Amino acid sequence: DGGITQSPKYLFRKEGQNVTLSCEQNLNHDAMYWYRQDPGQGLRLIYYSQIVNDFQKGDIAEGYSVSREKKESFPLTVTSAQKNPTAFYLCASKNRDARDYTFGSGTRLTVV
Amino acid sequence: QQQVKQSPQSLIVQKGGISIINCAYENTAFDYFPWYQQFPGKGPALLIAIRPDVSEKKEGRFTISFNKSAKQFSLHIMDSQPGDSATYFCAASLRSNDYKLSFGAGTTVTVRA
Repeated sequence: DGGITQSPKYLFRKEGQNVTLSCEQNLNHDAMYWYRQDPGQGLRLIYYSQIVNDFQKGDIAEGYSVSREKKESFPLTVTSAQKNPTAFYLCASKNRDARDYTFGSGTRLTVV
Repeated sequence: QQQVKQSPQSLIVQKGGISIINCAYENTAFDYFPWYQQFPGKGPALLIAIRPDVSEKKEGRFTISFNKSAKQFSLHIMDSQPGDSATYFCAASLRSNDYKLSFGAGTTVTVRA
């Protein structure tokens, strides 16, 4: 079955640590996205990538970093510079000129 | 600054009733308006979408109504069922912005049996 796999499902981070969230897709989609979801705020775009080895900042990129070394993979690193990282993180993908996104099941990150 | 405003934040409806969620947008260049449905602990999934040259689109019990002059669109869930209990997000995108989606804040719908 084609889809997007996010791992881990739950992640706990100590203050001052960097953590990396995994996102893998086997849909052969060109574009991949990272969103952050907080209660009452909808989904906010962190970073996106339209092709391998290229990515752009979204609306709330500060404190995050990404890489796109392979078409199927788009990992997100939450750095210690992100002051309020506790949230639900969603990865999505689509074909470049398509309109509709496919989302993964998310990773819930909690700072302890 | 949210480009798509969604209301209400939550609603409760009896089984068999109609759920109505409203969204308003500012950017008249938006040319695609999807709705996503999200169950707890899962990612959103596309439910239904409309383009601005159409005033209404229906898929099963779900209908989008679109009012271009008012810059508003809404989702109607007819004959609401307990399985429809979820969070619904409206969104908008435009081709010139790499088709990036701008999401509303979401509406949590609870259908009481």
